[in-house]
Amino acid sequence: AQSVTQLDSHVSVSEGTPVLLRCNYSSSYSPSLFWYVQHPNKGLQLLLKYTSAATLVKGINGFEAEFKKSETSFHLTKPSAHMSDAAEYFCVVSDRGWAAGNKLTFGGGTRVLVKP
Amino acid sequence: EAQVTQNPRYLITVTGKKLTVTCSQNMNHEYMSWYRQDPGLGLRQIYYSMNVEVTDKGDVPEGYKVSRKEKRNFPLILESPSPNQTSLYFCASRRIGVEQYFGPGTRLTVT
Repeated sequence: AQSVTQLDSHVSVSEGTPVLLRCNYSSSYSPSLFWYVQHPNKGLQLLLKYTSAATLVKGINGFEAEFKKSETSFHLTKPSAHMSDAAEYFCVVSDRGWAAGNKLTFGGGTRVLVKP
Repeated sequence: EAQVTQNPRYLITVTGKKLTVTCSQNMNHEYMSWYRQDPGLGLRQIYYSMNVEVTDKGDVPEGYKVSRKEKRNFPLILESPSPNQTSLYFCASRRIGVEQYFGPGTRLTVT
């Protein structure tokens, strides 16, 4: 079975400061991991994905995430927050083989507030 | 433009009145899924389909039905909606090895 825990339901940062969104996962197999972003009243957009290649993954809009197998973590970071980063972020795991399966498990989400 | 479309985008209905939410994708994707999004719970998979006429239950299938008669369409059917099915619903599609594309969402209220 697979599961995802996003450790913070809300994160508040000031514009220009770093952002850290924490995600821990549990998986029976080698997982594929994703971060999605959802802006208010919008659908979900893929930020980045890990599928067993490089452990440091770079995504869109300056975000990156590091896969740490020993810690079962996949934290999302950005060096400098922008007002447009205010949104909800979801960590997602898939452990039936990314190519073979379609089972995605979502974390509960982290809502990011960016203060001017 | 590659996209997943859903209709309607907003729906208010009453308990017990059958409804269908349509989903269509124009990318020739094999896999399609339905999710519901509830505060604090993230997205939970309702049903998914790996190809035409192949469907399977996700995590929360009770009260829902799906069909996949054509590759591009994957409608979600609520035979007898109840208030606990009030939620935001997303359809998604993907091809093997490609990330999932999500539709814009359907906000359903059951009174």
